[in-house]
Amino acid sequence: YVLTQPPSVSVAPGETARITCGGNNIGGRSVHWYQQRPGQAPMLVIWYDSDRRSGIPERFSGSNSGNTATLTISSVEAGDEADYYCQVWDLDSDQGVFGGGTKVTVL
Amino acid sequence: VQLQESGPGLVRPSETLSLTCTVSGGSISSSYWSWIRQPPGKGLEWIGYISDSGSTKYIPSLQSRVTISLDTSMQQLSLNLRSVTAADTAVYYCVTLSYEFGELTYFESWGQGALVTVSS
Repeated sequence: YVLTQPPSVSVAPGETARITCGGNNIGGRSVHWYQQRPGQAPMLVIWYDSDRRSGIPERFSGSNSGNTATLTISSVEAGDEADYYCQVWDLDSDQGVFGGGTKVTVL
Repeated sequence: VQLQESGPGLVRPSETLSLTCTVSGGSISSSYWSWIRQPPGKGLEWIGYISDSGSTKYIPSLQSRVTISLDTSMQQLSLNLRSVTAADTAVYYCVTLSYEFGELTYFESWGQGALVTVSS
């Protein structure tokens, strides 16, 4: 199962960043999102498409329908600059699958 | 739960990469565990998992070379990757794998990662 993310997204402070994750009928799967700041380990931010992990700002939200899942970051701040990865568990192959990652740059 | 990877930072080509993950703040025998790696400047690659009962599953591209095991008495998770090449150079993360509603799902807690370089 393949997940496709755009390599990069650029956004001005205060604007909205949308990071897409494409996959065949991904809307029928649970999608999880991770944030990886430079030099740090990834951190789970969104689970089950749209549930925020404890401590994650409400500015982070997720949605999933059809062939695209989306992580939305509202009112982007400089501290949101990071790589973001989507992930599903592929039940057919019993494997964890990651998207290629999207680098969010705050202009 | 806290996870801490340890092991050699440099491995010679054709040799075996061996890493240990020490688990604290929770029981290693009551969860699923995974190893995930990230080559320098690249994305995340899931390597495999081990269940609380010791069953394992590996990514097909590494299946012939990799072994994940548990030492419950030591609260440690191990990764062995045989016959390494430069392509195995990566940061290796020890991770908890959540099992909910009868399914494996997300990777909740991550170690800080261990950089392993394969070079002569």
